[in-house]
Amino acid sequence: DTGVSQDPRHKITKRGQNVTFRCDPISEHNRLYWYRQTLGQGPEFLTYFQNEAQLEKSRLLSDRFSAERPKGSFSTLEIQRTEQGDSAMYLCATDEGAEDNTFGSGTRLTVV
Amino acid sequence: AQSVTQLGSHVSVSEGALVLLRCNYSSSVPPYLFWYVQYPNQGLQLLLKYTSAATLVKGINGFEAEFKKSETSFHLTKPSAHMSDAAEYFCAVIPDSGTYKYIFGTGTRLKVLA
Repeated sequence: DTGVSQDPRHKITKRGQNVTFRCDPISEHNRLYWYRQTLGQGPEFLTYFQNEAQLEKSRLLSDRFSAERPKGSFSTLEIQRTEQGDSAMYLCATDEGAEDNTFGSGTRLTVV
Repeated sequence: AQSVTQLGSHVSVSEGALVLLRCNYSSSVPPYLFWYVQYPNQGLQLLLKYTSAATLVKGINGFEAEFKKSETSFHLTKPSAHMSDAAEYFCAVIPDSGTYKYIFGTGTRLKVLA
């Protein structure tokens, strides 16, 4: 088991529907990151939080994407009006105050 | 902007043979460099990291990597491949010391032949 739990593991949705993913770090780490990994590519940075503040958003994060970390512990990533191009693995990570990132197992999204 | 390049999207080796996965980085300052491994439908697991201490870094599962500033390289090696090493391997760099967000390479899928 990793120190980061992600739910659900898999999600299949119809184009145009909204989806929400959850990330739960086992320990309370200050910084939490979201990455997106498409088939055959490395993970790409989406956004990160320091406690409950969202401090940086990648230009990959379109207006249809929103992320929250309301109490500085768990985080949610919502995608509105999903498109087929949103199909990917969404990874959450925390850094435990050091340069190592601990990754969750990811949520695999398939938009049909 | 910092980036990493992994040469070879697929590498095949025989069981017991040397594993060599290549990573080159572009950076104007000494970076933090990492190798992560990903098994199917799993997250990423840290193999090893370079943080400007020893240039030869030893990691888990018998892997090691050598930081060569003159070549801007951080290649991953293992003397003898095992079937369980079959996975995808990612090289990554931290571009900003203020946070620990990563820039990843495109990955190398390692296949181990019996």
